[in-house]
Amino acid sequence: AQSVAQPEDQVNVAEGNPLTVKCTYSVSGNPYLFWYVQYPNRGLQFLLKYITGDNLVKGSYGFEAEFNKSQTSFHLKKPSALVSDSALYFCAVRDEGDKLVFGAGTILRVKS
Amino acid sequence: DTAVSQTPKYLVTQMGNDKSIKCEQNLGHDTMYWYKQDSKKFLKIMFSYNNKELIINETVPNRFSPKSPDKAHLNLHINSLELGDSAVYFCASRNRGRANEKLFFGSGTQLSVL
Repeated sequence: AQSVAQPEDQVNVAEGNPLTVKCTYSVSGNPYLFWYVQYPNRGLQFLLKYITGDNLVKGSYGFEAEFNKSQTSFHLKKPSALVSDSALYFCAVRDEGDKLVFGAGTILRVKS
Repeated sequence: DTAVSQTPKYLVTQMGNDKSIKCEQNLGHDTMYWYKQDSKKFLKIMFSYNNKELIINETVPNRFSPKSPDKAHLNLHINSLELGDSAVYFCASRNRGRANEKLFFGSGTQLSVL
C-alpha cells in the first residue's frame, strides 16, 4: 500500500526567503505524486503533480517540486515566500490504482 | 461555475440522527470520492465510485452509505450519527483514465454532532 510522510508539522519562514516543505513517499509501482494546498475553511486546491521524466516540476503560484527517486522524496519549494502562501500543504501519492493517499499535512507560516 | 459543489456547507445535528450530504460535479468526470478530514486535518479516503459503481470502500462503519444516482452525483448518507463522526467531509472527482489525473475538491461540509 502506498504512503506519504510529511515530517514537519509546521514550517516557519520569513517573507522573501526560500521555502521547502518536505515529503517522502512509499509506493510499490510507479509513483504518481501531487501537492495540494488548503486555505482556512476551503477545499483542497491542486498545486502541481509529478510528470515522469521531469525531476523539477513547476506548478501554480510560483511553487515547484523536486522529485528524487533515490531518496523517494518530492519536496515542495518556492524561491521567495509570500505572506499569502501561509496555508496547509498536503503531499499525496497514488499507485496505479484509484486511491490517492495524503500525508498528514504541513502548516506553512510566512511572516512579514 | 462551481466545479464540485457540496451541500450543505455546515451541518449541526444531534447524536442518533440520520443525515445526508449531497455532491455534484459538472466537470464530466467519471469517478467521484468522499474524504473525511478529522480535527487534526488528517485526510482519509472513504469511498470512490466510477460510473455509479463502487470501487473503493475503506474501513468505514456501515452507518455510512454512499449513493450515486448518476456519474455526476455522489451523496453520502449517515445513519445513527455519533460524536466521532464530527469532521469535515470533502467530495472530489476526476477522470479515472490516467493515474496522474488530479482530483478536484468541493469546499467541504463541516459536520458537528452534538
